[in-house]
Amino acid sequence: DTAVSQTPKYLVTQMGNDKSIKCEQNLGHDTMYWYKQDSKKFLKIMFSYNNKELIINETVPNRFSPKSPDKAHLNLHINSLELGDSAVYFCASSQVSAPYGYTFGSGTRLTVV
Amino acid sequence: DAKTTQPTSMDCAEGRAANLPCNHSTISGNEYVYWYRQIHSQGPQYIIHGLKNNETNEMASLIITEDRKSSTLILPHATLRDTAVYYCIVRVHYNNYGQNFVFGPGTRLSVLP
Repeated sequence: DTAVSQTPKYLVTQMGNDKSIKCEQNLGHDTMYWYKQDSKKFLKIMFSYNNKELIINETVPNRFSPKSPDKAHLNLHINSLELGDSAVYFCASSQVSAPYGYTFGSGTRLTVV
Repeated sequence: DAKTTQPTSMDCAEGRAANLPCNHSTISGNEYVYWYRQIHSQGPQYIIHGLKNNETNEMASLIITEDRKSSTLILPHATLRDTAVYYCIVRVHYNNYGQNFVFGPGTRLSVLP
């Protein structure tokens, strides 16, 4: 299936741990994104990569580090996890030159205990 | 990007048309109107977009007023599966930073049996 896939779907971890979330898209898109949806349900962009190059880096703690090994993958690594990091993280992709908007993954629910 | 205003919530009877309004009085000439929806914590789903003309696809119709200061998303025959949060976003199609969609609180549509 053509899609944006994220793993894992659920992640429960203790404070202070380091964890990674992986994202892959097979749509041939050139741009990928990470969004965070907190408990109040607001979706906020965190990062955007275009052809492996970081183009959007919102005000996010430097404990969050995205990595794009190729334009089909954008992983999110989080160091020293805190309770406030608990949220749903969505990966998305788009073709910048096409007007059809984003394709989102199904999300990763991160719970820090 | 122009700001949008949507009602917090709406109800619609199953089988009837759902008309979701959006105000974007500060929209610029090169900004598109996009609609997404999010069904119960799934990833947001692109629905439709338009610039000036009314648009229709298999999911919905988009009616944009002549002055472009408001628009209406129409789901012609709402089903229970259309219960979701609907986001109206105004955005330039492309800039050097790609398509950075800013999601507001949206309208929570409840389709009632």
